[in-house]
Order: sequence, then C-alpha cells, then structure tokens
Amino acid sequence: QVELQESGPGLVKPSGTLSLTCAVSGGSISLNNWWTWVRQSPGKGLEWIGDISHTGNTNYNPSLRSRVTMSVDTSKNHFSLNLYSVTAADTAVYFCTRRTYGDDWYFDLWGPGTLVTVSS
Amino acid sequence: SSELTQDPTVSVALGQTVKITCQGDSLRSYYASWYQQRPGQAPVLVIYDKNSRPSGIPDRFSGANSGNTASLTITGAQAEDEADYYCFSRDTSGNHWVFGGGTKLTVL
Repeated sequence: QVELQESGPGLVKPSGTLSLTCAVSGGSISLNNWWTWVRQSPGKGLEWIGDISHTGNTNYNPSLRSRVTMSVDTSKNHFSLNLYSVTAADTAVYFCTRRTYGDDWYFDLWGPGTLVTVSS
Repeated sequence: SSELTQDPTVSVALGQTVKITCQGDSLRSYYASWYQQRPGQAPVLVIYDKNSRPSGIPDRFSGANSGNTASLTITGAQAEDEADYYCFSRDTSGNHWVFGGGTKLTVL
C-alpha cells in the first residue's frame, strides 16, 4: 500500500524559501504517474501548485511559476518543493499527491498535509 | 477566481438526493474528478473518469458530464457526507490544472 508523507519546516520567515519533501513509501516513485503539490490557505479552497514526473519533467501553476521549483530523487523515492520569496499569503497546508491516469487524470493518493506558516 | 465554478454552499435533508455541479469550458473536452474533504483532513477521491468510484466509496456517490458541466450526485445523503467537495480538471488552455472553488455540503 503506497503512502505519502510530507516533511519540512513548519515556520518560514518572509522573503525566505519554503522547502518541503514528500516521501513515497510502499511503492516506487518511478512509475507512470505525476507527483503533485497542492496547497490550501486557511479557510480557503485547494490550489494546484505543480507536478513533476519521475524523469524530472515539470508543470507549474502559471501564477506561481516564477517562484517554484520541484525536484525528484528516485534513489530516495521522494520528491520536493521549493517556493521562493514567500509572504504571509503562502501560509497554507501543503499536500503532496499522486496524479494517475485512467480515462483522464486524477489524484488517487494524498499525504496528510503539513501546515507551513510564513511569519517573522 | 477559478476556471471551474462551483456553488459555494448546498444543503440537503438527511436521506434525500443532492447534486453538486462544476462548470467550466474545459469540461467540454475533459473529465472532472471529485474530492471530499472533511475538516482537518486531506481530500479523498470520490469520483474519477466521469463516473468511477474508488474502492471503499459508497455507491450513493455518482458522477456525470454534460456539455460544460460536471456533476456529483449523492443519492440518499448521510450525515457523514457533510463535507467540502471539490472538482478538478484542466484549465481552459488544457495545459495546466485547476480545482473548483469548492462546495460546502450541509446535511440537515
């Protein structure tokens, strides 16, 4: 049974870099899926941040593209998110997910989420 | 604003049927998937590929597509169905992804 688990600092200073890692356990990251970050600001809806494939291809939300990078480490079976120049508006619960394909793409697996607060 | 539009709130009497809709131009070409999110929890997939349910999702949940609208129907709503529901699909360009704004379902 594949599981996802986010990890990283829960507090980041304004103008700093938010860095999170998602560990994939119980299965290989090197399959025909896309690995995705989604966030949810307090009291708000879900926002797609971007995806990465196991080969390192990326696709970012245009509204965040200038501040986001994602990477994948197949040897460690994890993928990562870096969000630069953060502000209070980046305070959110960050989820890692697996996007898989049937007749279309959907998220079949989610991590529990991790709260990141941007504050001095 | 989201390129997928959902009603912010919907209510249903216990045991009755409710339809939650998601509108967007991309839905003319692509399927939506649907996610249930209870407070403090991660979202859970309830419908994918128009009308498929993951194992463990009750058969009272069903999905449909028509034109630019995807819908999630709960037939015989239960108290535990009270949650936020989000649709997900491609944006208008077809190159990126977007969630609907979410619908808060209240079971009366």
